[in-house]
Amino acid sequence: QSVLTQPPSVSAAPGQKVTISCSGSSSNIGNNYVSWYQQLPGTAPKLLIYENNKRPSGIPDRFSGSKSGTSATLGITGLQTGDEADYYCGTWDSSLSAFWVFGGGTKLTVL
Amino acid sequence: EVQLVESGGGLVQPGGSLRLSCAASGFTFSSYWMSWVRQAPGKGLEWVANIKQDGSEKYYVDSVKGRFTISRDNAKNSLYLQMNSLRAEDTAVYYCARFSTLPLAFDIWGQGTMVTVSS
Repeated sequence: QSVLTQPPSVSAAPGQKVTISCSGSSSNIGNNYVSWYQQLPGTAPKLLIYENNKRPSGIPDRFSGSKSGTSATLGITGLQTGDEADYYCGTWDSSLSAFWVFGGGTKLTVL
Repeated sequence: EVQLVESGGGLVQPGGSLRLSCAASGFTFSSYWMSWVRQAPGKGLEWVANIKQDGSEKYYVDSVKGRFTISRDNAKNSLYLQMNSLRAEDTAVYYCARFSTLPLAFDIWGQGTMVTVSS
């Protein structure tokens, strides 16, 4: 059971838009920046979004992030088949049990 | 090119030990926190441990405290994870990752090394 809650899966057609939610608490998302990671099949994770809504260089603006209270959202527009991957949210956690926590991950299927 | 390359994974019996290594290149290794993150087969990501630039601060997930030790050698641009008293539930791909504080994120990842704990 992950500290951050994500839907196990989402799906949409090519060209459409999808959002992935990430729910936490005041000890993590509520008081810290959220980052998002994309893991393509058989590869290592890659940073997609940092500090809630910023994109590293090379990440297209089809990917966006937002945060409100103790929840964060990843948005992907203009879906492409190459976007099929697992997506993870993550953030600092100020509780005593962990320095950093990840969500359980969401598998995106582009139909 | 900024790169992290893990090594040292393999098959080990329950109760055994293993030492993972991560070779960093393409950036000033001594300027960054470093981390280990693992992923059990078919499961999500789990942060395992972090170490400060000079090794003076170390943090661990509860499930590995007292069994795993993270360390680094800045002269060799290398990160290590000493894993003792291994359990079946430690079976996972172990990723070395650079933990950036500005921005606050794991911004560089290695390709991972597989650790299997089984008799």
